[in-house]
Amino acid sequence: QKEVEQDPGPLSVPEGAIVSLNCTYSNSAFQYFMWYRQYSRKGPELLMYTYSSGNKEDGRFTAQVDKSSKYISLFIRDSQPSDSATYLCAMSYGQNFVFGPGTRLSVLP
Amino acid sequence: GAVVSQHPSRVICKSGTSVKIECRSLDFQATTMFWYRQFPKQSLMLMATSNEGSKATYEQGVEKDKFLINHASLTLSTLTVTSAHPEDSSFYICSARDPLGGLTDTQYFGPGTRLTVL
Repeated sequence: QKEVEQDPGPLSVPEGAIVSLNCTYSNSAFQYFMWYRQYSRKGPELLMYTYSSGNKEDGRFTAQVDKSSKYISLFIRDSQPSDSATYLCAMSYGQNFVFGPGTRLSVLP
Repeated sequence: GAVVSQHPSRVICKSGTSVKIECRSLDFQATTMFWYRQFPKQSLMLMATSNEGSKATYEQGVEKDKFLINHASLTLSTLTVTSAHPEDSSFYICSARDPLGGLTDTQYFGPGTRLTVL
């Protein structure tokens, strides 16, 4: 079992849809959870980071962490074509930092 | 958020030449930087972890004599691809760790360098 699993997609949705991106992990030691967005031929951009279980909202983005289930999610409301990118989850504890493989998202106008 | 720059953004070179890529943290001091490579439509692959003032730690399968890493200051790490060959053509991305008051610990990425070896 991989340390972090993420559905690679691709995921295609119509503009305005609610998008749910998910990751599961196996190591309960992870303490910090992050979501990155990577446009084609660009470096990943940090979108959100969370520490505790629960929800964190930033504009159209909501990050959700459920430590008991070892499950994190990123929700995108009112998705836009400009949201089309690859989304990577990441998590860390101490010196350990692990990325998910990324989910390719296409938002169709 | 913290800003990381990379230079050059794109390089094309002949087989057998060496290429140096610079990674700078612009508004914070990074004791640890990371180097990744990414092939088209694939995920990031960690190549090495670079700690300021010490030798880099390479991931399994990454040749340390092929990919030379120097982290001479808290804001600069360099990756030199020595005697580059076409199979080294890839997207190279650096990142820097920014511990924020000890409460969070995340990585900020540079924009990447696209290397094409002819």
